[in-house]
Amino acid sequence: DSGVTQTPKHLITATGQRVTLRCSPRSGDLSVYWYQQSLDQGLQFLIQYYNGEERAKGNILERFSAQQFPDLHSELNLSSLELGDSALYFCASSATDNSPLHFGNGTRLTVT
Amino acid sequence: AQSVTQPDIHITVSEGASLELRCNYSYGATPYLFWYVQSPGQGLQLLLKYFSGDTLVQGIKGFEAEFKRSQSSFNLRKPSVHWSDAAEYFCAVEQPGGSYIPTFGRGTSLIVHP
Repeated sequence: DSGVTQTPKHLITATGQRVTLRCSPRSGDLSVYWYQQSLDQGLQFLIQYYNGEERAKGNILERFSAQQFPDLHSELNLSSLELGDSALYFCASSATDNSPLHFGNGTRLTVT
Repeated sequence: AQSVTQPDIHITVSEGASLELRCNYSYGATPYLFWYVQSPGQGLQLLLKYFSGDTLVQGIKGFEAEFKRSQSSFNLRKPSVHWSDAAEYFCAVEQPGGSYIPTFGRGTSLIVHP
C-alpha cells in the first residue's frame, strides 16, 4: 500500500460531460502529481502541485484543471470529455523535490 | 529536454532464468534514474533509484540496475525471475536542479513462462 488514495476506481461517462477525480496523498507529502496513462501515449505528466500552489505543468489540455486544497488532497477536473480522454489517471505524491513518487492505484475513466 | 527509451515492448522469460530490461536516456548531465514496476490494476511502485555514487544499485524484490554513463543506460537486472515478477516495468529520468518531474519510458511488459 503506497498510502496514496484515489477515488473513484472506475468512472464511465458520456462525451461532453464533466468529471472530478480525487486524490489523497501520503501522510506528510506536500507534492501531488497527476499523470495520464494510455496505450498510445504511455505515461504523460499533466500537472504538479506543491503545498497548494501549482508548481509545474505538462501536457495538460485546457479542458482539464486541477487544484490542491489546504488539507493537501487534490482534485483533477476533466470537462467537455471526448472519447480520446479515456485512460487511466494516476495521482502520485512525494515528500521533497528529489524524492521518489508514490502512486495511487489510479482512476480508470471510460468515455462513451 | 530529457527523454527515456525502453527498446523492448515485451520480453518473455522462463521462470528461474535471468532478466535484463534495457533503458537508455537522453540528457546532458547525469540525471536521477528510477525503475518502477506496475502490476495489473495497481499503481507504479519504486524498485530502485540512482542519484550518484556507486553505479550498481540494489533495489527491492532482488532487482538491481547499473548506471553506465558512457552508454547513457540504466539497465535493470534480476538473476532469477519468479512468476510473480510478471508486470510492466518503467524506467524514469529526472533532471537534478530542474523541475524534478520524472519523465517515464513507454514501459516493458514482462511475461514469465512456468
